[in-house]
Amino acid sequence: GEDVEQSLFLSVREGDSSVINCTYTDSSSTYLYWYKQEPGAGLQLLTYIFSNMDMKQDQRLTVLLNKKDKHLSLRIADTQTGDSAIYFCAESYGGGGADGLTFGKGTHLIIQP
Amino acid sequence: EPEVTQTPSHQVTQMGQEVILRCVPISNHLYFYWYRQILGQKVEFLVSFYNNEISEKSEIFDDQFSVERPDGSNFTLKIRSTKLEDSAMYFCASSERTGPNLADFGPGTRLLVL
Repeated sequence: GEDVEQSLFLSVREGDSSVINCTYTDSSSTYLYWYKQEPGAGLQLLTYIFSNMDMKQDQRLTVLLNKKDKHLSLRIADTQTGDSAIYFCAESYGGGGADGLTFGKGTHLIIQP
Repeated sequence: EPEVTQTPSHQVTQMGQEVILRCVPISNHLYFYWYRQILGQKVEFLVSFYNNEISEKSEIFDDQFSVERPDGSNFTLKIRSTKLEDSAMYFCASSERTGPNLADFGPGTRLLVL
C-alpha cells in the first residue's frame, strides 16, 4: 500500500537552511505536497510539485523531487523562528476523482536561536 | 480570505455514544474530505465526498462512520457508536478541484472518547 516516511525531528539554527526529507512508495503518485502545521492549528498547504518536475522554487522554499528514488525534500532558506512547526509530506494520485492525500507522520522543525 | 470552519473545537463523549462533527467548507468548493490524526500518528484519510455522494473511502471508514451534506453548506461526519480508539483530531478539508488536490483544511475537532 501507499506509504510516506519522514524523520520525526530536525533541529537547525536560526538563519541556516532547513532541509526536510521524505520518501514515498507509490510510484503512481502524481502530486507531492508539503503542509505546515503550527501548534493548535490546522494544516496549511505550503507548496506542491507535479511528478514530472524535478524542482520548484517559491520564495524561501525549494522543493526537490527525485522520482527514481521516490525522494522529496523541502528546503527552507534563512530559517526563522516563525518556521517552527510540523511539516508534513503528502502525496496523491490525482486521477481526477476526489482522491485523498496520503500523509507522512510529520517532521518537527526546531529552531535554535 | 475564506476558511474552512469546524465545530466544536473540542468534544468529550462516552464510549458508545454518537457524535456529529460539523464543518463548513469554503463556499465555492466542490470536493470535501475528512481526515483524522490520532495523537502522535500521521494524518489519515477517511473519506472524500463529491456531487452529494462518497467518492472514495479508506479502510478506517467503516459502517460506524457516515457523512452528509444536509443543507448545501454544512458537511458532517457522524460516528454512530464511539470507541476509545476513535479519540483523535478530526480535520475537515475542501477543495475547488482535484489534480492537484489543493485542499484547504479546517482547524480540527479534538474528540476524546472516555
